[in-house]
Amino acid sequence: NAGVTQTPKFRVLKTGQSMTLLCAQDMNHEYMYWYRQDPGMGLRLIHYSVGEGTTAKGEVPDGYNVSRLKKQNFLLGLESAAPSQTSVYFCASSYSLAGVTDTQYFGPGTRLTVL
Amino acid sequence: KQEVTQIPAALSVPEGENLVLNCSFTDSAIYNLQWFRQDPGKGLTSLLLIQSSQREQTSGRLNASLDKSSGRSTLYIAASQPGDSATYLCALSGSARQLTFGSGTQLTVLP
Repeated sequence: NAGVTQTPKFRVLKTGQSMTLLCAQDMNHEYMYWYRQDPGMGLRLIHYSVGEGTTAKGEVPDGYNVSRLKKQNFLLGLESAAPSQTSVYFCASSYSLAGVTDTQYFGPGTRLTVL
Repeated sequence: KQEVTQIPAALSVPEGENLVLNCSFTDSAIYNLQWFRQDPGKGLTSLLLIQSSQREQTSGRLNASLDKSSGRSTLYIAASQPGDSATYLCALSGSARQLTFGSGTQLTVLP
C-alpha cells in the first residue's frame, strides 16, 4: 500500500514551458486535491476533485489546469510556467470532502523551480 | 474568509521539556480542526483530529485542545524528544468543506 505518490520529485522549468505533475493514490479515495506551499504562507488549495471526471477550483487556480480521467490519478498541468509558480506542490486524497471525521493523506511533494 | 494563525513561527527547546504550540482562527463555524506534522522534504502526516463537538484529543505524548468560542487550539507535547523536531501545522475544515492551513510552527528539540 503506497498511499499517495507524486511524480516527479523535482523539476526545473524555464518561463513559458509546460509540464504535468502526476498524483496517484491506491486507497480508493473519491476526493483528491492539489496544494501549493510557499514559505511563510502554509498550504493553499489549487484545484480539487470529488470523483472521476470532475474537478473544481480552489483558492488559487489561475495558471493551472487539472484532470481526473481515472479515479486513482489526478494530474496538475502548467501550460505556460511563470516564476511565480515556483513552489512545492502537494497532492492529497481523502475518503470524503473534509467532513467531520475525515483527514487527508498527503504525497511527498514536488519541488518546482521556474527560471 | 477563515484566517488561521500560528505563533511562534519557530521554537527551540531542550530535550525533555513540555511545550505548547498555538493555533488561532477567525471563524468558529468549523467541522473539525487537525494538527499535522511535516518533516523536511516530506509530505504532511495527520497527528490529531478534533471534531467540532469535541474539546480535546490525545495520542501518546500529544494532546490537542479546541476552544471554538475563543477561536483557539493548542497542541501540547509532553517530554519532548529530538525526533519531535518538525514543522507542525494546524488546519480547519469549514463550511466550504475545504482545509484552511496555518503557516506552521517549526519546532527544534535540542539533545
